[in-house]
Amino acid sequence: QQQVKQSPQSLIVQKGGISIINCAYENTAFDYFPWYQQFPGKGPALLIAIRPDVSEKKEGRFTISFNKSAKQFSLHIMDSQPGDSATYFCAAGSGGSNYKLTFGKGTLLTVNP
Amino acid sequence: NAGVTQTPKFQVLKTGQSMTLQCAQDMNHEYMSWYRQDPGMGLRLIHYSVGAGITDQGEVPNGYNVSRSTTEDFPLRLLSAAPSQTSVYFCASSQLPSGNTIYFGEGSWLTVV
Repeated sequence: QQQVKQSPQSLIVQKGGISIINCAYENTAFDYFPWYQQFPGKGPALLIAIRPDVSEKKEGRFTISFNKSAKQFSLHIMDSQPGDSATYFCAAGSGGSNYKLTFGKGTLLTVNP
Repeated sequence: NAGVTQTPKFQVLKTGQSMTLQCAQDMNHEYMSWYRQDPGMGLRLIHYSVGAGITDQGEVPNGYNVSRSTTEDFPLRLLSAAPSQTSVYFCASSQLPSGNTIYFGEGSWLTVV
């Protein structure tokens, strides 16, 4: 049973456009939702994270939107740049903890110049 | 400051062989963990530790052993390698309390033939 469903699998965006990646979860005990960015041959790196007491969190060009009632959260990348081309993973943790994260399957983002 | 260091980077094993993937961090982090990443599967937690002498199982622990005798090191042992353990393995670490940024190593590519 996949607890965190991520879509789309791949995404192609033009430079300057908005990239949107969506995740949905089933376990209502999840209360910590990070996004990770991974470049080829490297480990994942934390991009931004949100807890369910807020509906949106913004850091620079990256925004997480969170809908608790729908059990969905999404990553928006504004003014997408070729350097943003990477694989993005959403994840979820419970008990306010990131000790045992459940990851989505990933989205390969390509930003064309 | 090297961060999270994994060795070896690449390894080919024969079915039934045993080996240890090494992980060391120089950030004095209490939390350390091992994830495996398979194509189209995201990352899945194998084992984690919140301090020396303390370990716990993650989502996919079967076939793997861990121990934590020092704060710095968290080796992952494959007791009898199987082709299903062909994967990319990532070690990660973080400061306590839970919720601090998790830092991933660059990965160890393991092929079991």
